[in-house]
Order: sequence, then C-alpha cells, then structure tokens
Amino acid sequence: DAGVTQSPTHLIKTRGQQVTLRCSPKSGHDTVSWYQQALGQGPQFIFQYYEEEERQRGNFPDRFSGHQFPNYSSELNVNALLLGDSALYLCASSLEHGSYEQYFGPGTRLTVT
Amino acid sequence: AQSVSQHNHHVILSEAASLELGCNYSYGGTVNLFWYVQYPGQHLQLLLKYFSGDPLVKGIKGFEAEFIKSKFSFNLRKPSVQWSDTAEYFCAVSRYSSASKIIFGSGTRLSIRP
Repeated sequence: DAGVTQSPTHLIKTRGQQVTLRCSPKSGHDTVSWYQQALGQGPQFIFQYYEEEERQRGNFPDRFSGHQFPNYSSELNVNALLLGDSALYLCASSLEHGSYEQYFGPGTRLTVT
Repeated sequence: AQSVSQHNHHVILSEAASLELGCNYSYGGTVNLFWYVQYPGQHLQLLLKYFSGDPLVKGIKGFEAEFIKSKFSFNLRKPSVQWSDTAEYFCAVSRYSSASKIIFGSGTRLSIRP
C-alpha cells in the first residue's frame, strides 16, 4: 500500500522564480492538504483540495496556489519566491468520508537563495 | 483564535525516565486531537489520536495521552523512555468529525541520553 509520495525531495530556487511541487496521495484517499514547515516550527496549513476544488485556505498570500487532478494527485505552486518561503513543504492525504486522519508525505525541502 | 501551545521547547531526559509533554489548545467547538512525531530524517507520523470516548488514549510505542476538556489540555506521557524516542513531538487539533485543516503546536524536541 503506497503511502503519500512527494517530488522533488529537494529544490533550490532563486528569489523571484516560480516553483511547482507535486504530491500523490495514499491509495484510496481523495483529499489533499498542503502545509509549510519552517525550520524549528510546527507545520502551518496552506490549503486543502477536494473534488479538484480548493476547499479551505490558511493565511497564505495568493502567490501560493494549487491544483488537484482527477486522479486526486495535487500540485502546489509558489510564484515570486521570497527568501522566507524556504521551508519543508508537506503534503497530507485523507479520505473525506473516512477516519479524519491525515497521512503525511516526506516533504519537499525548498531553499530560496 | 485557534491555536496550540506546547509548554516545553526542548526536553532532555535519561533513558528509563518518565516523560510528560504538555499541550493546551484554544479552539471554538468540539475537536479532534493528535500527537505527531518526527524522528530525525523521517516524515511526520501519527503517534495517537483522540476523536471521542475514553479520554485516555493509547498510541504506538507505549505512548498515551489524556484529554482533559475542562483544561483544554492533551498531555503526552510515557512511563519509561528509550534512546530511540529522540525526536520532535507535535501536538495538533482539528475540527471534530472532519478531515479539515490541522493546527499544530510549535513542537517539543526530546533528547534522550543513553
């Protein structure tokens, strides 16, 4: 049973550039959430996708956008990168009518220089 | 405002010592409560969860937590820690009966001396 997978593992970008991170949910899951974990902090909720729509959004600017595909996989896009966007980006999947647990992937480490 | 407070930033214990990590939350309404663990170099894993019922919940690796509704607390305990428990521990809360956004505390780093 494949868990949540994310790609790439690491990424280095320059200020002002754009980045796309990818996530495949755990088999059978239909909901994907994205979190940002800065160094030494707990994860912070960015947004959640269900049925290809953004359903909930945290306190992040519009530079952060996402997409969910018909196979439930998801992308996180960040435009106009800032140094402060350097963090571990976590994807979590869950089942809308299931046990309410979210399963986390290994994350993508983004470094902005 | 919704928030989770973890009282200890860094805890250092010797093997076989008992552990208690504090967690308080602020949230309007009924909640789901979680403790997650992040071992060095590994991804976030669920230790235990509380949705309803018995407020004393048991998780993996001998951990347990007690939900005290009147104190808005969900403290994590383990009677005897091992070196392999060295990790970052996160308390978290979400809205009851949903897989909605999870709000995390800032984490407690646990270091175990062999």
